[in-house]
Amino acid sequence: LAKTTQPISMDSYEGQEVNITCSHNNIATNDYITWYQQFPSQGPRFIIQGYKTKVTNEVASLFIPADRKSSTLSLPRVSLSDTAVYYCLVGDSGSARQLTFGSGTQLTVLP
Amino acid sequence: NAGVTQTPKFQVLKTGQSMTLQCAQDMNHEYMSWYRQDPGMGLRLIHYSVGAGITDQGEVPNGYNVSRSTTEDFPLRLLSAAPSQTSVYFCASVRDGRNTEAFFGQGTRLTVV
Repeated sequence: LAKTTQPISMDSYEGQEVNITCSHNNIATNDYITWYQQFPSQGPRFIIQGYKTKVTNEVASLFIPADRKSSTLSLPRVSLSDTAVYYCLVGDSGSARQLTFGSGTQLTVLP
Repeated sequence: NAGVTQTPKFQVLKTGQSMTLQCAQDMNHEYMSWYRQDPGMGLRLIHYSVGAGITDQGEVPNGYNVSRSTTEDFPLRLLSAAPSQTSVYFCASVRDGRNTEAFFGQGTRLTVV
């Protein structure tokens, strides 16, 4: 499974756009990039997944450059309730049964 | 659908005691997994199952047993609790090998004294 590197923490203010970048230099051809969100005292929640270029859903956007060695999770106009830990995971479809979590990025949204 | 349900939510054990953490899912998912999360850390895989009757070890399996007699249930047994097993335990399920989205339960906070 590809190793990922992401910032330990980030601060932002309400209403701003937040971009969290994840590095995955040894990503394999069959690997997808998946982001999870975890609030305190809760289990992780799937946010978004992509393979290449750009993916957008009602929660976030995921930007993946052509070389796929990094990806950026973009949260538009964050609110206090977006304060959470965000995890970047890389793996093929069969890896979902045994996910490998790093330490994630603690996003704190300030008023 | 209730999704993934874990019981109990909180538990305190004495060193040496045994107990079973329950996990049930009502989505007919093939895959189920157990993770532990220590303070300030990411989740680490304990055991997983790709179907009824099939289980395998994850990154940190020592001190834990699992079984999968039905598609719905995937209990985690602590054989002889140790303080090092104090953690938050999460159960997760995935529809099948073609899907990459995992659904997590709310967790069980276990303290071993």
